Amino acid sequence: SQQGEEDPQALSIQEGENATMNCSYKTSINNLQWYRQNSGRGLVHLILIRSNEREKHSGRLRVTLDTSKKSSSLLITASRAADTASYFCATDEGTYKYIFGTGTRLKVLA
Amino acid sequence: EAGVAQSPRYKIIEKRQSVAFWCNPISGHATLYWYQQILGQGPKLLIQFQNNGVVDDSQLPKDRFSAERLKGVDSTLKIQPAKLEDSAVYLCASSRALVHEQYFGPGTRLTVT
Repeated sequence: SQQGEEDPQALSIQEGENATMNCSYKTSINNLQWYRQNSGRGLVHLILIRSNEREKHSGRLRVTLDTSKKSSSLLITASRAADTASYFCATDEGTYKYIFGTGTRLKVLA
Repeated sequence: EAGVAQSPRYKIIEKRQSVAFWCNPISGHATLYWYQQILGQGPKLLIQFQNNGVVDDSQLPKDRFSAERLKGVDSTLKIQPAKLEDSAVYLCASSRALVHEQYFGPGTRLTVT
């Protein structure tokens, strides 16, 4: 079953630009996580945002959560070539089981 | 701290053969996960352990897949017999508790011919 779906499926931007990707989900959640996957470092956790939080920051990353719309967005500011990767959201279903979306493939051009 | 260890990194087998994957989580992490990731898709949870008990295995094809986590530390995932559609990367992850960030291992790339 697919809980989260990322949008867009693929995104190509120039270095220094901002990248925004979105995640929509279907059922109520306790929290939502964003992960990055590239060939060099595998899957890496970026941010966890709880259902009672609306926004979280970590370095150049900003995550928002709108539980009324069942959606989240990940903003990467001042992107770098090293940000080239696939980005996944993972949501629980109000349980302890996380379901990953299909991912957004981000390419940052130098 | 040492990360999640997995072996082997690559495995090629013929259909109907069996294969086993091993995972050693980060020390002290109570929760261990096995995911299957098919090319171009997100990871799909196969089984989740809390210590040595199963929390969720609803998406594990139990007629051919089995997993155990003896003593609540390392874990093995077995496929017997393998099918062509089992070709994927098998990821192991661990976390301190059920609702925490997950740390992933490098994965095992399985090719079934």
